[in-house]
Amino acid sequence: KAGVTQTPRYLIKTRGQQVTLSCSPISGHRSVSWYQQTPGQGLQFLFEYFSETQRNKGNFPGRFSGRQFSNSRSEMNVSTLELGDSALYLCASSLLGAQNEQFFGPGTRLTVL
Amino acid sequence: AQSVTQLDSHVSVSEGTPVLLRCNYSSSYSPSLFWYVQHPNKGLQLLLKYTSAATLVKGINGFEAEFKKSETSFHLTKPSAHMSDAAEYFCVVSGALSTGIGKLIFGQGTTLQVKP
Repeated sequence: KAGVTQTPRYLIKTRGQQVTLSCSPISGHRSVSWYQQTPGQGLQFLFEYFSETQRNKGNFPGRFSGRQFSNSRSEMNVSTLELGDSALYLCASSLLGAQNEQFFGPGTRLTVL
Repeated sequence: AQSVTQLDSHVSVSEGTPVLLRCNYSSSYSPSLFWYVQHPNKGLQLLLKYTSAATLVKGINGFEAEFKKSETSFHLTKPSAHMSDAAEYFCVVSGALSTGIGKLIFGQGTTLQVKP
């Protein structure tokens, strides 16, 4: 069974731009969660989507948004990028939901200049 | 509310010696607990999980962890370290919000260094 895939793997943007990251979960998994990983803040939960509905959200500004499609693929969008948005963005899928075992993708490394 | 504290940010051991990575948790109710490992430039991989069954949990690659409710601890151990164990380890607690829908709460991570 294929694992979680994320595209692109690396991205360089400038301040003020917007970016869209994509995540394809493991086949059959309906829950997709997004995390931001930085050296200073560690791993922080962004949001979870389950069957196309956002059902959980972390403490991030409204510039961070996401969506999930009917095939469970998910996208995360960050608008008006700031330098502090530079991070590794990890996507994880789960069969039963974000509070259970999750399978992580390799991440997208976003650099904001 | 749920939280997790990894007591050591960095642990260094020699190859072939035991590994102990310490984790304390706080939870309002019976938690689910996990240990994940992250190798450089890779995503996280689940090592093991505790979900209120046996208190001693065996995971992959020879790792195990013991759930101790009285001490609110979930320490990760391995009898003999291997060079390939060098990585970042995260202790994770499942956090259920008032709606009953949860999320994972990660500790700050422990970097394991294995010396030859």
